[in-house]
Amino acid sequence: EAQVTQNPRYLITVTGKKLTVTCSQNMNHEYMSWYRQDPGLGLRQIYYSMNVEVTDKGDVPEGYKVSRKEKRNFPLILESPSPNQTSLYFCASSLYRAGANVLTFGAGSRLTVL
Amino acid sequence: AQSVSQHNHHVILSEAASLELGCNYSYGGTVNLFWYVQYPGQHLQLLLKYFSGDPLVKGIKGFEAEFIKSKFSFNLRKPSVQWSDTAEYFCATMIKAAGNKLTFGGGTRVLVKP
Repeated sequence: EAQVTQNPRYLITVTGKKLTVTCSQNMNHEYMSWYRQDPGLGLRQIYYSMNVEVTDKGDVPEGYKVSRKEKRNFPLILESPSPNQTSLYFCASSLYRAGANVLTFGAGSRLTVL
Repeated sequence: AQSVSQHNHHVILSEAASLELGCNYSYGGTVNLFWYVQYPGQHLQLLLKYFSGDPLVKGIKGFEAEFIKSKFSFNLRKPSVQWSDTAEYFCATMIKAAGNKLTFGGGTRVLVKP
């Protein structure tokens, strides 16, 4: 089944404890992206990647890192999480079509930072 | 920077009522438009999209949307809602010049009473 898989789905952690949210897709998509969803703000892009070894900042990249060493994986790294990073995170992927990507979203990862 | 506005944050209606959700965007150039739906506890799913052609777009589950370029609008409609349409609905835009970033509106929570 074609899908985007995120892990963990739920995580409670403490301030400053490094964590990684993994994202993997099995559709051979070039384009991958991370979003965070907060009430009333919709989804905001954190980082995106147009292909292997090509990543760029979205609208809210502060406090996050990503890497794209393989086409299928796009992990999101929080080096020193803070409470304002408590949010629902979505990974998404698509074939790259200039201006016309149709994203497939993962199930989401709900992160709480105490 | 482009922005997307959804003017209704919450909508409550009864089954069989008609639904219209407003969406306005700010970008003056060529833009691709999307509506996504998020059912409770689930990930985002594509309802419909507009890239070009007929400005009246039909999507899944009986939804449709009309692109009105002069009004910078892409309103979502459904003639007769069902209880299963209870969800959060997000309008989004994508422009080629912005690295294929999806820019989301703040979302509209729709509650359909049985």
